[in-house]
Amino acid sequence: AQSVAQPEDQVNVAEGNPLTVKCTYSVSGNPYLFWYVQYPNRGLQFLLKYITGDNLVKGSYGFEAEFNKSQTSFHLKKPSALVSDSALYFCAVRLAGGGTALIFGKGTTLSVSS
Amino acid sequence: DAGVTQSPTHLIKTRGQQVTLRCSPISGHKSVSWYQQVLGQGPQFIFQYYEKEERGRGNFPDRFSARQFPNYSSELNVNALLLGDSALYLCASSLWGHGNTGELFFGEGSRLTVL
Repeated sequence: AQSVAQPEDQVNVAEGNPLTVKCTYSVSGNPYLFWYVQYPNRGLQFLLKYITGDNLVKGSYGFEAEFNKSQTSFHLKKPSALVSDSALYFCAVRLAGGGTALIFGKGTTLSVSS
Repeated sequence: DAGVTQSPTHLIKTRGQQVTLRCSPISGHKSVSWYQQVLGQGPQFIFQYYEKEERGRGNFPDRFSARQFPNYSSELNVNALLLGDSALYLCASSLWGHGNTGELFFGEGSRLTVL
């Protein structure tokens, strides 16, 4: 069965410091991987995706993610965190050829302090 | 362009009642998916519709049903509501039909409270 794990419920970082939000996945085929962000009482906003090609993917708002097939990971990163980055972050996976259904992790709350 | 719109934004029902949630996709998107997000959890897939046909169903009971209209809008119906159905219901549209590599675009959700 496909699954996504976000091992940290919360990540705390000071403004200006680099941030990493971890994600690992388990699928039986080639994965399509996504990161979404959710602000309070709002829907999900797309940040970036990995489909194929370069393992380092750049997305919105200065975020990037690195696909590591051997470690089955897709960690979200940003070189310098902003207070406005504080939100709930979801990693999601879709199986190639498997329709549009996404399997989401449980989410990681990012808190950036000033 | 307008994004994905959902209605109502909030509603309160009692156990045993029925509810209908509505979604209008982004113009040009022919695929609509529904997700349930329980507090503290990630969204869970309920249904996907493309060109008015059901193309995927998640692990939800038959009390949950949906349909897609000729204008690609969609409704999600939940019968015989249970307390556990309290959640944020998210609708997402996409350009599926050009391969499934595209991202989903989510609405802001309908928050259902069952008392």
